[in-house]
Amino acid sequence: GENVEQHPSTLSVQEGDSAVIKCTYSDSASNYFPWYKQELGKRPQLIIDIRSNVGEKKDQRIAVTLNKTAKHFSLHITETQPEDSAVYFCAASIDGAGSYQLTFGKGTKLSVIP
Amino acid sequence: NAGVTQTPKFQVLKTGQSMTLQCAQDMNHEYMSWYRQDPGMGLRLIHYSVGAGITDQGEVPNGYNVSRSTTEDFPLRLLSAAPSQTSVYFCASSYVGTGEWAYNSPLHFGNGTRLTVT
Repeated sequence: GENVEQHPSTLSVQEGDSAVIKCTYSDSASNYFPWYKQELGKRPQLIIDIRSNVGEKKDQRIAVTLNKTAKHFSLHITETQPEDSAVYFCAASIDGAGSYQLTFGKGTKLSVIP
Repeated sequence: NAGVTQTPKFQVLKTGQSMTLQCAQDMNHEYMSWYRQDPGMGLRLIHYSVGAGITDQGEVPNGYNVSRSTTEDFPLRLLSAAPSQTSVYFCASSYVGTGEWAYNSPLHFGNGTRLTVT
């Protein structure tokens, strides 16, 4: 099955700096890559996703890049704010092969220091 | 829309007891799933369903049963609770599209159930 590795496991940045979280996946058939944000004690919520037919997607201060050849994708947060502090999960989906499972990375705890 | 509703929010069980975690969604989503979240382990898929009457196993199905008799409900049953099942459980649902992106739709999570087995 699919295996998703996520790095780093913890990340501390100063407010206003950028944060980058990286994920690699193992199955070249994966074609959907969402990112979820989970605040302390809350449920995960989708913040951005990317499909394999595009290389980059932006939404205000958040961007995701995808390199299909290297099988890795990254989350970029610019101008970080204290409310960005949370655990971020990447995920990959092997769609089109009869499997509907979304495999998650183990998460990155982001701390934004005011 | 209430979205995805999970009950109970907290539960303490003794080893060997059984219970059912309830999940309901009002978005008419075909796909529903159960995940468990353990520290440092991310979210791991237990069981999922792509429609009423259809269920399948995920990554960690042992010790859990599911059924899907309606589109709205997807209960998770713990048959004989073990301390290893102490975790936070999330139910999630999504729309099932058509064509190339048939199952690549965002998951909507419930608020979770924190289960402790002593």
